[in-house]
Amino acid sequence: LAKTTQPISMDSYEGQEVNITCSHNNIATNDYITWYQQFPSQGPRFIIQGYKTKVTNEVASLFIPADRKSSTLSLPRVSLSDTAVYYCLVGGRNNYGQNFVFGPGTRLSVLP
Amino acid sequence: KAGVTQTPRYLIKTRGQQVTLSCSPISGHRSVSWYQQTPGQGLQFLFEYFSETQRNKGNFPGRFSGRQFSNSRSEMNVSTLELGDSALYLCASRFGGDMNTEAFFGQGTRLTVV
Repeated sequence: LAKTTQPISMDSYEGQEVNITCSHNNIATNDYITWYQQFPSQGPRFIIQGYKTKVTNEVASLFIPADRKSSTLSLPRVSLSDTAVYYCLVGGRNNYGQNFVFGPGTRLSVLP
Repeated sequence: KAGVTQTPRYLIKTRGQQVTLSCSPISGHRSVSWYQQTPGQGLQFLFEYFSETQRNKGNFPGRFSGRQFSNSRSEMNVSTLELGDSALYLCASRFGGDMNTEAFFGQGTRLTVV
């Protein structure tokens, strides 16, 4: 089971780039890494997913080193509305069983 | 397109009772997953259904069960409720059966056991 660890909280200012790192030392060969964002009283929302190297979409980038034991979510130029909890999820494609583990989440506070 | 709908939004039950929660996925989505979220344990995977079959199950006792209907709507049931079952229960739907594709979450059902 790929256990993950993330910083409990982070503070940033509007307009800055924020990098949140997730450690997953026991990641398996077929595990993908997915990040979700959650606002209070709402369900999580998909941000980005990757397997290795770098993935970029319209809202974030995901950096995964060659050993895949960690991953970094990068949010460019954050705004107040990016204040939320960010979860790292490691899980296997077409895997059966108890292999979908959410990290504890990182509470990001964006200050004006 | 309507999002994932969970009913009811809030529920209060007494210890020992049972409860059934409902989830209507996005139209066309065939996979439904359930999660429990608590302040102490965070987000934990309960189970996943695809085409009316349970394909994945998290590490929860047998008191937690679920099912999926032919229209992809899903229900989860918790029997013999305990105080520790108080949580936000989230449902997520996916178009296909791949657990690593994007999941769309509902707003959840907040269950309070007293």
